[in-house]
Amino acid sequence: SQKIEQNSEALNIQEGKTATLTCNYTNYSPAYLQWYRQDPGRGPVFLLLIRENEKEKRKERLKVTFDTTLKQSLFHITASQPADSATYLCALASRGSTLGRLYFGRGTQLTVWP
Amino acid sequence: KAGVTQTPRYLIKTRGQQVTLSCSPISGHRSVSWYQQTPGQGLQFLFEYFSETQRNKGNFPGRFSGRQFSNSRSEMNVSTLELGDSALYLCASSLEGGSTDTQYFGPGTRLTVL
Repeated sequence: SQKIEQNSEALNIQEGKTATLTCNYTNYSPAYLQWYRQDPGRGPVFLLLIRENEKEKRKERLKVTFDTTLKQSLFHITASQPADSATYLCALASRGSTLGRLYFGRGTQLTVWP
Repeated sequence: KAGVTQTPRYLIKTRGQQVTLSCSPISGHRSVSWYQQTPGQGLQFLFEYFSETQRNKGNFPGRFSGRQFSNSRSEMNVSTLELGDSALYLCASSLEGGSTDTQYFGPGTRLTVL
């Protein structure tokens, strides 16, 4: 069966450290993988998109890697801040079922404490 | 540019009733996707509309339906509500609904079925 698994439901780290979130998938052929941030009571907000032929993408303190052999994406937040506390979702755009459809993991709730 | 808006933000209904939720996409966006978010299942795709046509559909029963108007605004309807329909319903708009299009989410409608 198809699955998208994010490493843990919750991750707690100290301010200034690097947070690393994992997204593993099975039985998908993703053309693209995206990461979103969701705050309580709000809709997800797009952060980064990485294509299957890209190994790494960066945006400010964020870095995403994509390994189609391991079927895994890693999402890093460097120099983390309490304001980074939120739920982070990975989402796949799978071949053959695009047209506005994303497949989401259940998310990892990140808490950055001072 | 105004973001995606959803109305109402909160709704309480009883079993057996029906409900209509509304979504206004970002100006110029022609694709609207709907998702259901629950703690147990995460974000699940309902359907996607483009130019007033449903192009893609998730695995939800026929009680869930939608439509899109010529101005790209969309509505979704749930008939014969069940307790399990309690969820956050999110709509997302994008330019064309392509797999690399960023999806911009609204704040959601929180539906509670009693």
